[in-house]
Amino acid sequence: DTEVTQTPKHLVMGMTNKKSLKCEQHMGHRAMYWYKQKAKKPPELMFVYSYEKLSINESVPSRFSPECPNSSLLNLHLHALQPEDSALYLCASSQEGAGVRNTEAFFGQGTRLTVV
Amino acid sequence: AQSVTQLGSHVSVSEGALVLLRCNYSSSVPPYLFWYVQYPNQGLQLLLKYTSAATLVKGINGFEAEFKKSETSFHLTKPSAHMSDAAEYFCAVTPPAGGYNKLIFGAGTRLAVHP
Repeated sequence: DTEVTQTPKHLVMGMTNKKSLKCEQHMGHRAMYWYKQKAKKPPELMFVYSYEKLSINESVPSRFSPECPNSSLLNLHLHALQPEDSALYLCASSQEGAGVRNTEAFFGQGTRLTVV
Repeated sequence: AQSVTQLGSHVSVSEGALVLLRCNYSSSVPPYLFWYVQYPNQGLQLLLKYTSAATLVKGINGFEAEFKKSETSFHLTKPSAHMSDAAEYFCAVTPPAGGYNKLIFGAGTRLAVHP
């Protein structure tokens, strides 16, 4: 199984809503990532978890709150988002974590988020 | 800081023609380089990666790339384009320190294949 599964595929939420994005992998990967991709742009890293601990936060606003309940799951909790937060949110995973640069990251299909 | 530059935001080729997508990197240390493909409304799929084992890297779907240190390039090629190759292609690099596959992507090149 080399899949990273993201749910939901599409999400429309109001600016006062609270919602969560979910990501799951069963490849035994110990590093998991959230990326944000705006239309016609490359993905931009948001967060990195290594061994279930937050290792990197790329100065992401607090209205985005990541969580890694166990080694297979990664969540992104959303609250009080703005319309400019509308984007494709991609989850990825890779082997190991710190010090490993040459192993590929496996990406999920993404969640298309629209904030109204 | 590490970065990659993809020359040409749009490339159009005829079916059966050579595909050449350009990527140049900036790095003071040997980089690890990747090519990913993204089909519409989908995630990213790894095509190939360079990790210093061999300068000519073969990937999936008939793609290959050659690492040229003298030119700081890692261009992606395919001898004969297929309609199904139409997609967005991203070159990416990981920084020398910190690991975590903190991928730094180029701006992307949209490949169009016409009959």
